[in-house]
Amino acid sequence: DAGVIQSPRHEVTEMGQEVTLRCKPISGHDYLFWYRQTMMRGLELLIYFNNNVPIDDSGMPEDRFSAKMPNASFSTLKIQPSEPRDSAVYFCASSLARVGQPQHFGDGTRLSIL
Amino acid sequence: SQKIEQNSEALNIQEGKTATLTCNYTNYSPAYLQWYRQDPGRGPVFLLLIRENEKEKRKERLKVTFDTTLKQSLFHITASQPADSATYLCALVSYNTDKLIFGTGTRLQVFP
Repeated sequence: DAGVIQSPRHEVTEMGQEVTLRCKPISGHDYLFWYRQTMMRGLELLIYFNNNVPIDDSGMPEDRFSAKMPNASFSTLKIQPSEPRDSAVYFCASSLARVGQPQHFGDGTRLSIL
Repeated sequence: SQKIEQNSEALNIQEGKTATLTCNYTNYSPAYLQWYRQDPGRGPVFLLLIRENEKEKRKERLKVTFDTTLKQSLFHITASQPADSATYLCALVSYNTDKLIFGTGTRLQVFP
């Protein structure tokens, strides 16, 4: 079975550019989560969706960040404009409907903003 | 304030010994606590889940305990192997949310 698929794996871009990260969750999973991981702050939840609807975006750092889930098999996280402090590894995860179910993570997008 | 704390120092042990990792939390009432393994350049991988009303859970060489009085979970790997070297993350889910909150992780290094 295919796991969570993220693209691109690496992204290097200049400050001020728009960045779009993509995620395909595991088929049949109702929850989708976006995380950011840095050495200083660890793994932080940015936003999560249930049945394609955003439930909690309180972790989104600023209005420069936005996320969409147009259908059950695709989600995007967009940063516009990007800043050097956005450099991090961004993970997408999905899980089944029930609370407390294990989350299945993709291998992340390593983002570097110059 | 709410905190989940794991040893930031790396844990170095010899192959064959039991590794014990600690996860302490404050100002949470977790319904579930989970442990994940993360290898360099990869996403976290789920290992074990333990519920509030469970004291202990085992899976092969892994054992997790959950003490809601001490507000602590311990994660044990028996007969450790170099292949167990990784960062281990604890995470909890509170009763009133679907969100998983992660600790910062402990790096385990098993030497042959």
